[in-house]
Amino acid sequence: DAGITQSPRYKITETGRQVTLMCHQTWSHSYMFWYRQDLGHGLRLIYYSAAADITDKGEVPDGYVVSRSKTENFPLTLESATRSQTSVYFCASSSAVEAFFGQGTRLTVV
Amino acid sequence: KQEVTQIPAALSVPEGENLVLNCSFTDSAIYNLQWFRQDPGKGLTSLLLIQSSQREQTSGRLNASLDKSSGRSTLYIAASQPGDSATYLCAVKNDYKLSFGAGTTVTVRA
Repeated sequence: DAGITQSPRYKITETGRQVTLMCHQTWSHSYMFWYRQDLGHGLRLIYYSAAADITDKGEVPDGYVVSRSKTENFPLTLESATRSQTSVYFCASSSAVEAFFGQGTRLTVV
Repeated sequence: KQEVTQIPAALSVPEGENLVLNCSFTDSAIYNLQWFRQDPGKGLTSLLLIQSSQREQTSGRLNASLDKSSGRSTLYIAASQPGDSATYLCAVKNDYKLSFGAGTTVTVRA
């Protein structure tokens, strides 16, 4: 099916553990994004990518790492999870005009 | 840095009433503006996209206007229904990145 999928949908992890959130799109869009959504802050941009092997920081990049070896995949890694990274994470891809979002990953760090 | 503000934060109306949701942004050099709908625990669904050269866009009961020079957009939903209850997010696109408002949570009472 065409679209953008995120996995897992739900994740509970412990403080200090590394966790990777996956994002896959089938449109071959050049641009991909990671946002986090928190009450009181709305959606904030963590990292984005203009193409394979091209990534850049967004508004709140600290504690996160991204890679993009293939156009269709854009994983987000929390190197050492902290409670402040408990959030809902959304991946998006964008054509030249419109952005499309995945269903989100609800991450809880305990 | 683009700042996006949505007013009001929450809105409760009886069924059948028209809805008016406001979005303002600080940097008028936008590429486009998208309105999204988000249901609780779900992802973002694109409702309308207005290019920077357009003044308005319509889809069914939804109409969105854009006044780029004043940094404002308004989403109108005619003859509201309980199924319209959701959070509505405004996002503006600069340099391929979307900046979001915090959203307006709408409740339509039957």
